[in-house]
Amino acid sequence: GENVEQHPSTLSVQEGDSAVIKCTYSDSASNYFPWYKQELGKRPQLIIDIRSNVGEKKDQRIAVTLNKTAKHFSLHITETQPEDSAVYFCAATGFQKLVFGTGTRLLVSP
Amino acid sequence: DAGITQSPRYKITETGRQVTLMCHQTWSHSYMFWYRQDLGHGLRLIYYSAAADITDKGEVPDGYVVSRSKTENFPLTLESATRSQTSVYFCASSGTETNTEAFFGQGTRLTVV
Repeated sequence: GENVEQHPSTLSVQEGDSAVIKCTYSDSASNYFPWYKQELGKRPQLIIDIRSNVGEKKDQRIAVTLNKTAKHFSLHITETQPEDSAVYFCAATGFQKLVFGTGTRLLVSP
Repeated sequence: DAGITQSPRYKITETGRQVTLMCHQTWSHSYMFWYRQDLGHGLRLIYYSAAADITDKGEVPDGYVVSRSKTENFPLTLESATRSQTSVYFCASSGTETNTEAFFGQGTRLTVV
């Protein structure tokens, strides 16, 4: 079955810096890779996703890249702001299952 | 987000008791999922369902039972609760394909004493 690894577990940056979170997956049949943001005490919510026929996708300050050959994908946040502080989860899905990584706690200091 | 709701939001139960967590969605989504969230482990898949009457195990199914007699409901039952099942439980649903956004319920915080 699918296994998703996520690094780092904790990331501290200064406001305005960039943040990068990396994930790897094991099942070559996986074709959808969403990223979720979870604020303290809240439910996870989708911030961006990418499908296997696309190598990169950008939405304002957030971008995701996918390398199918290496089976890894990354989340890039530019010009970080304090409100970006949260836990971020990557996920992968192929045949029905939606499997998540263990999460990255991002702390953006003013 | 009112489209997927979980109940109860908080539950305290004793070891050995049976407890059922409810999940209801109004979108007629085909796929539904149950996750548990524990510090350091992220979101771990317990069970999932591709349609009514079709369920399958996820990463950590032991001690849990699910059913899906109706598309909109996906209850999770702990047959005999243990302290290790103390966790926050999230239900989620997605459309006719798994490569679409999954929407999460508000979560249920379960404490087993």
